[in-house]
Amino acid sequence: DTGVSQDPRHKITKRGQNVTFRCDPISEHNRLYWYRQTLGQGPEFLTYFQNEAQLEKSRLLSDRFSAERPKGSFSTLEIQRTEQGDSAMYLCASSLTSGGADTQYFGPGTRLTVL
Amino acid sequence: AQTVTQSQPEMSVQEAETVTLSCTYDTSESDYYLFWYKQPPSRQMILVIRQEAYKQQNATENRFSVNFQKAAKSFSLKISDSQLGDAAMYFCAYRSLHNNDMRFGAGTRLTVKP
Repeated sequence: DTGVSQDPRHKITKRGQNVTFRCDPISEHNRLYWYRQTLGQGPEFLTYFQNEAQLEKSRLLSDRFSAERPKGSFSTLEIQRTEQGDSAMYLCASSLTSGGADTQYFGPGTRLTVL
Repeated sequence: AQTVTQSQPEMSVQEAETVTLSCTYDTSESDYYLFWYKQPPSRQMILVIRQEAYKQQNATENRFSVNFQKAAKSFSLKISDSQLGDAAMYFCAYRSLHNNDMRFGAGTRLTVKP
């Protein structure tokens, strides 16, 4: 078990470009979450998958953001036409459904800088 | 909407001493989950401790314990016998039973002095 991994760890892009991030959850975990964390703040929920189904989306997730989990394993988060306000750490977490609140295991994050 | 407030942006503690980090939250729900997460510098976030709102007994994990006051909507974290490795950002989080939208506070940066 290698934990949750994210790629890339850092991304610098110019305003208006598209970027895509990847998250590989812990192998047997059926739930996957995306969060955004800006400097000095706690993570903010963006979206959540159970297997390949995207079940919840935050109002923070504008139409420039899209997430997929095509086979219920890894997930991608794409941001189109990036803006400077998109600069943040993007965190992925995964969990295994349990009877109560399943524990979310976080990845190291992808730090996005939009110039 | 549920909100989580951590009123202490920074705290410091002497090694081997005890420190308490504060957290309050706002909700109209009666059943929910509360968490404390630790985020060391440049490292990923890990779960420290969790509490189910329906349980009256305060959760404990080794040197970490909580003081859960449901009526006051307060959920503080006590770290006993502080160690240098405890230095990190600590985030309090709330999660409803009805969705998977976990709400985090702004965090408290804990410094441990040798």
